[in-house]
Amino acid sequence: GIQVEQSPPDLILQEGANSTLRCNFSDSVNNLQWFHQNPWGQLINLFYIPSGTKQNGRLSATTVATERYSLLYISSSQTTDSGVYFCAVGGYNFGNEKLTFGTGTRLTIIP
Amino acid sequence: SAVISQKPSRDICQRGTSLTIQCQVDSQVTMMFWYRQQPGQSLTLIATANQGSEATYESGFVIDKFPISRPNLTFSTLTVSNMSPEDSSIYLCSVASSTGANVLTFGAGSRLTVL
Repeated sequence: GIQVEQSPPDLILQEGANSTLRCNFSDSVNNLQWFHQNPWGQLINLFYIPSGTKQNGRLSATTVATERYSLLYISSSQTTDSGVYFCAVGGYNFGNEKLTFGTGTRLTIIP
Repeated sequence: SAVISQKPSRDICQRGTSLTIQCQVDSQVTMMFWYRQQPGQSLTLIATANQGSEATYESGFVIDKFPISRPNLTFSTLTVSNMSPEDSSIYLCSVASSTGANVLTFGAGSRLTVL
């Protein structure tokens, strides 16, 4: 099946710092989503971004499908950004309607 | 996006028992997905539940261990059978949007601890 690797696995930053999270995948995809899992376990969908660039407030994401990676940018970090960030992918070769989750990046924002 | 209610939110279970998790959605959806998240790990898809047909299980998951029901378009249950400590996980229900793109929304999860 498809492999989805995220980096870095852990990231600790001071409040106000910027960060870039990366998601690499091993096969063609037509569905890519970024999620934030807060410390209480709730998963929130941040972006649906199979290609191109999107922005939502302090967060933005870019997917370069031809090169099989996606980036999530977080600017001016706040403590509420802490948690685990997952990318998840789907594609024609392995089931478009279901998502395979990446390994995750645990982000800790220190006040 | 859909609103998903999961019950129970958490439970502590004894080895050898079974527990059924309920997932209720506030709108009709075609496909519902059940995921497992073991401690400190990523999410792994258990099965896809379609109304009116048998659930489709992923490699490594079998119906005898994780029977799923999907009686209508807004409800599903997942049973974790004959539990062992290795089944201690968060179990999450999710649905895809009805807008064409398969954007997933998740329930809050059911955190099971097996002693």
